[in-house]
Amino acid sequence: GAVVSQHPSWVICKSGTSVKIECRSLDFQATTMFWYRQFPKQSLMLMATSNEGSKATYEQGVEKDKFLINHASLTLSTLTVTSAHPEDSSFYICSASRDTTDTQYFGPGTRLTVL
Amino acid sequence: GENVEQHPSTLSVQEGDSAVIKCTYSDSASNYFPWYKQELGKGPQLIIDIRSNVGEKKDQRIAVTLNKTAKHFSLHITETQPEDSAVYFCAASNGAGSYQLTFGKGTKLSVIP
Repeated sequence: GAVVSQHPSWVICKSGTSVKIECRSLDFQATTMFWYRQFPKQSLMLMATSNEGSKATYEQGVEKDKFLINHASLTLSTLTVTSAHPEDSSFYICSASRDTTDTQYFGPGTRLTVL
Repeated sequence: GENVEQHPSTLSVQEGDSAVIKCTYSDSASNYFPWYKQELGKGPQLIIDIRSNVGEKKDQRIAVTLNKTAKHFSLHITETQPEDSAVYFCAASNGAGSYQLTFGKGTKLSVIP
């Protein structure tokens, strides 16, 4: 159990376009989902925390108008990178936690390349 | 806020030998310590975790120890195999609010056949 999926697994887009990444908990309900960004050979950097039905909480330095997060149900959260630029190219990973526990289960990640 | 230090950054061992990765944390309120394995191009996979009311936990070839007084915890992998080669991340959480994790910088483990 505790499987998290992400879609797409990779995406290439042109500068100025928007990209949506989906994160789904497949076999459990996730009250809380997290979005991370990871640069090559570096650790995971938390971007935002989202709770189902409420606004996401963004980490300092993360532009909430650029990285739109929606957590509309207990099994789905989406991250939309708006007006993407080459510097937004990165590996984006989501994780999900069940209610009453702090164990985070991670998705497989989405590789975003902005040309 | 919490700060997690992890070392070594790289570790090479011969197949069959043991590997030990160590982490220290700064927030004495932290009470949950997971370890993740990340293979190239994939998301982190939870391999073992420990909570502050336990000093040691073992799962087959993998064990984690926790010293709350010294604020450090370690991952032990015995009888290493080539498929253990990956980047390992430790993390800490104080279980408050939304259970955010603070990650170490990772250890790249290479198991030499």
